[in-house]
Amino acid sequence: AQKITQTQPGMFVQEKEAVTLDCTYDTSDPSYGLFWYKQPSSGEMIFLIYQGSYDQQNATEGRYSLNFQKARKSANLVISASQLGDSAMYFCAMREKSDNFNKFYFGSGTKLNVKP
Amino acid sequence: SQTIHQWPATLVQPVGSPLSLECTVEGTSNPNLYWYRQAAGRGLQLLFYSVGIGQISSEVPQNLSASRPQDRQFILSSKKLLLSDSGFYLCAWMGGRVDHEQFFGPGTRLTVL
Repeated sequence: AQKITQTQPGMFVQEKEAVTLDCTYDTSDPSYGLFWYKQPSSGEMIFLIYQGSYDQQNATEGRYSLNFQKARKSANLVISASQLGDSAMYFCAMREKSDNFNKFYFGSGTKLNVKP
Repeated sequence: SQTIHQWPATLVQPVGSPLSLECTVEGTSNPNLYWYRQAAGRGLQLLFYSVGIGQISSEVPQNLSASRPQDRQFILSSKKLLLSDSGFYLCAWMGGRVDHEQFFGPGTRLTVL
C-alpha cells in the first residue's frame, strides 16, 4: 500500500483565493510526523509546515495551515490568499520509524498554478 | 547554522559510465543522512540512508551504491550507469527546529544518454 497518496496531479487557483491540497497517509507507527514541502522549478525543497501525530491542534505557519484529520488519516494543506509565487510542486511527506530509524516517504506531488 | 552541499549541480553521462555524487553537511555532527531520487514529474524515492560512518542501508535494490567515509560526507556511486538512472538526486539530513525535520541539498540533475 502507498504510504502517502496525493490524488491531485494539478490544481489551478485564482490569485488571492484559498486552495486545499489533499494528502492521505498510511502507517502503523503511533508516533509519526507529517510534512509539506514546496518545490519550485529550481528544484530546491522548501519546508512549509509540520504536524506531529500527537498534536491536538492543526499546525499553522503564516498563510499555510494543515487540516489534520487523524481518524481519516488525512493531512491536507490549505494555502490562504494565494500569490503568484505559490505556483510550484507541493509534496506531502510522512516520517515514521522503521528498524529504529526515521524514514521519510513522499507523495507524487501536486502542481499548483496560481492565475493572476 | 547548518548547510548542505551537493556537487555537481548537473551532470550528463553516457550509459555504462561510472558515477560519483557527493554530499557534505556543515554545522552539525553525526547527522542522519539520506539520498533520494526524483524522476521527472514524480515524487521523491528514498534510495539510501545512513546513521553513521560506514553504516549504509538501502531502501530499494538498484544499480546504485552509497558510502559514508566521513561523518558529514555521503557519496552516491554507480559502476555502470543505466538510462533509468536519470533523474534529480537530492541529499538530505535530519534535524532542525522542527522535530525530525529534513533539510535538503540543492540537488544534482543527472542525465544518462
